[in-house]
Amino acid sequence: SQQGEEDPQALSIQEGENATMNCSYKTSINNLQWYRQNSGRGLVHLILIRSNEREKHSGRLRVTLDTSKKSSSLLITASRAADTASYFCATDKNRDDKIIFGKGTRLHILP
Amino acid sequence: GAGVSQSPSNKVTEKGKDVELRCDPISGHTALYWYRQSLGQGLEFLIYFQGNSAPDKSGLPSDRFSAERTGGSVSTLTIQRTQQEDSAVYLCASSRDRGLDEQYFGPGTRLTVT
Repeated sequence: SQQGEEDPQALSIQEGENATMNCSYKTSINNLQWYRQNSGRGLVHLILIRSNEREKHSGRLRVTLDTSKKSSSLLITASRAADTASYFCATDKNRDDKIIFGKGTRLHILP
Repeated sequence: GAGVSQSPSNKVTEKGKDVELRCDPISGHTALYWYRQSLGQGLEFLIYFQGNSAPDKSGLPSDRFSAERTGGSVSTLTIQRTQQEDSAVYLCASSRDRGLDEQYFGPGTRLTVT
């Protein structure tokens, strides 16, 4: 069964606006990761947040983690056309030594 | 330094043929994953290698799929008697140590079964 589920499935916003994507998961985790994928090829790691962390920043990215709600959010501020991509969260399942990806959120930045 | 490489980048094959897909992970990375991604879909986990441990094959969709990793480095994913539903992009990733570390992805192999 799916461990991480992103929400929404697709999102279109105007350039310059903020984009928020959410990820929910089912079991306890060690960490949660966010990845970006352009053009259906290899994924690029964006940020990793550990289970004992609540918030993490990297440039225009802000990730939060709420382990009580088993959810995470990825915020991209001041969006740009180049942010158009699919975004995936990935978590370990029951602290297994591998990670499982969600189905992703397709983000489209409108000019 | 060199990233994860995969070959071929594209493969077109006839239904019923066998195919081999190759992945060269980053040197020194002990964990290696194979994923499959159909058009517009998420990543489907296939198989995971960690060091010298027995691989986690729980994601392989059928016994037509197999993978090996020789010498703890290069990995080959083999699909026997390919079917049209096998058409997808096959992605390989490696990570430094444990599977929970950041993963570095290759560019993928786009497989088309006609």
